[in-house]
Amino acid sequence: AQKITQTQPGMFVQEKEAVTLDCTYDTSDPSYGLFWYKQPSSGEMIFLIYQGSYDQQNATEGRYSLNFQKARKSANLVISASQLGDSAMYFCAMREGNAGKSTFGDGTTLTVKP
Amino acid sequence: DSGVTQTPKHLITATGQRVTLRCSPRSGDLSVYWYQQSLDQGLQFLIQYYNGEERAKGNILERFSAQQFPDLHSELNLSSLELGDSALYFCASSGQHGGSYNEQFFGPGTRLTVL
Repeated sequence: AQKITQTQPGMFVQEKEAVTLDCTYDTSDPSYGLFWYKQPSSGEMIFLIYQGSYDQQNATEGRYSLNFQKARKSANLVISASQLGDSAMYFCAMREGNAGKSTFGDGTTLTVKP
Repeated sequence: DSGVTQTPKHLITATGQRVTLRCSPRSGDLSVYWYQQSLDQGLQFLIQYYNGEERAKGNILERFSAQQFPDLHSELNLSSLELGDSALYFCASSGQHGGSYNEQFFGPGTRLTVL
């Protein structure tokens, strides 16, 4: 079974608008972490934001926030005030329990239109 | 800049050949992870080393092997290369051996093309 599901292969957003990228996950481990990464066309993986399974509040990092709904097992990334430089592939990832490895979703390609 | 370095940046080789990818983790990080990113398989975890010892194994083929040296740099060896091995290979490092709170820092990747 897919552990991380990103249902939107591609998304478009107008510059300065907000956009939500969806991510659902599947785990039976009570301790896990959820991560979002950005991969621009140059290829590097840039860490954006982290949410722990025991965190009571949604994580925020500048224009990025994570809408964590534990009961629904969803961890959507919200980007506010989109910029042209936000155009990239975005990956949701999960780490479970004591595991070191990350499991990644298939990614969502975001295009910001001027 | 994450502090993780990978060499070479690009590698073009032929089927049946063997190559070595190198990774230097961030200063002080003991864990190294290797991931493969291909168009058909997405981002897949290959293997993890912690302070010189293999810690976890993922979808790594038998033709692939890795090691972590005393100075903590790591090498991923790919042999009997096939066209399907063409991919972007990432190395990541972290200070801990595991845990859901463990942030990983990714290198810039090595793009391997097998002709």
